[in-house]
Amino acid sequence: AQKITQTQPGMFVQEKEAVTLDCTYDTSDPSYGLFWYKQPSSGEMIFLIYQGSYDQQNATEGRYSLNFQKARKSANLVISASQLGDSAMYFCAMREGLQGYQKVTFGTGTKLQVIP
Amino acid sequence: GAGVSQTPSNKVTEKGKYVELRCDPISGHTALYWYRQSLGQGPEFLIYFQGTGAADDSGLPNDRFFAVRPEGSVSTLKIQRTERGDSAVYLCASSPTAGGGDTQYFGPGTRLTVL
Repeated sequence: AQKITQTQPGMFVQEKEAVTLDCTYDTSDPSYGLFWYKQPSSGEMIFLIYQGSYDQQNATEGRYSLNFQKARKSANLVISASQLGDSAMYFCAMREGLQGYQKVTFGTGTKLQVIP
Repeated sequence: GAGVSQTPSNKVTEKGKYVELRCDPISGHTALYWYRQSLGQGPEFLIYFQGTGAADDSGLPNDRFFAVRPEGSVSTLKIQRTERGDSAVYLCASSPTAGGGDTQYFGPGTRLTVL
């Protein structure tokens, strides 16, 4: 079974509007961390936001927020007030276990295009 | 401060040749990771170093792939007898430790093309 599922291969959003990128995950470990990365056409993976499984509140970083619904095993990324520079690939990732080293597994990504 | 750097940014080689890809992590980061990203896919884990030792090499696809980190800083990914299927972007990442909440910071990648 896929550990990380991103069901939207591509998304369009109008500039200045909000957009939600979906991510569901599969794990039986109660301790895990979820990450979102942005990958522009230049290729570099840019860390956006992190949510730990025991965090009580949804993570926020500027215009990025993570809609964490533990029971549904979803960790959707919300980008508010989209900008043209937000056009990129977005990857959801998960690390199972919070102590010591654990592998990080990435989803297949969502390509976001912001329309002027 | 300087981020993760990778050289070369692009490498074109012929089938059967040997290549080396270099990664220079963020200063002070003890954990270093190599990933491979094929077109249209997310990064796929290859190997993890904690200090000088390869703590997890379970992602290396076969024995043509090898990586070293002799002084616990710079790492080199080595691919012998390259095949066309090795063509991909090879990403390196580092983190302060390998702790659960530690974020991995990625370099710009090396695009390897095997003709």
